[in-house]
Amino acid sequence: SAVISQKPSRDICQRGTSLTIQCQVDSQVTMMFWYRQQPGQSLTLIATANQGSEATYESGFVIDKFPISRPNLTFSTLTVSNMSPEDSSIYLCSVDGTLANSYNEQFFGPGTRLTVL
Amino acid sequence: KQEVTQIPAALSVPEGENLVLNCSFTDSAIYNLQWFRQDPGKGLTSLLLIQSSQREQTSGRLNASLDKSSGRSTLYIAASQPGDSATYLCAVKAYNQGGKLIFGQGTELSVKP
Repeated sequence: SAVISQKPSRDICQRGTSLTIQCQVDSQVTMMFWYRQQPGQSLTLIATANQGSEATYESGFVIDKFPISRPNLTFSTLTVSNMSPEDSSIYLCSVDGTLANSYNEQFFGPGTRLTVL
Repeated sequence: KQEVTQIPAALSVPEGENLVLNCSFTDSAIYNLQWFRQDPGKGLTSLLLIQSSQREQTSGRLNASLDKSSGRSTLYIAASQPGDSATYLCAVKAYNQGGKLIFGQGTELSVKP
């Protein structure tokens, strides 16, 4: 299995500011994803982070609002830009398959709990 | 479009009871199905992964079954304990949606001492 860490674990931010969330994996992985979980809701996929190229965004999510980087096979960042209270959610990094074993089991990080005032 | 439904939305049981959580999905074209556990405000812990060619998987007191033709999975928890209290999420990795994980809304389980 893959061990995933996220920073920060939680933050309280002011409206209009931006926050960058980091995701670090302990092994090289093929696929990395970013999800959002709004209060009381299930998970929604924001985008797939592609190594060395632009992320692939789901319907309703755009690069200007959620820029994503993935410089290598173990690290990715998600930025939540120009935040509003509606962005208050848990943001989760997820990985699927390691280079050593593409098993298709998906693992999740501990999440970043964001509150926007 | 693949849709995943979990029933019940919430469940409260006394400690020691055996219980079943249900998951249904609308499109049988899946790579696999995963059951996760989520504690309040935390990330997801993978409990069991069932590949599309498999019928069930077991881990300790947990047993998950998959009936792809009927679009159903169940998670059986034996001899429930208060520490099992959490939200349980079912997710399918769908062929027709680029291999993305599609989640159900979850079942919130409370096990009373």
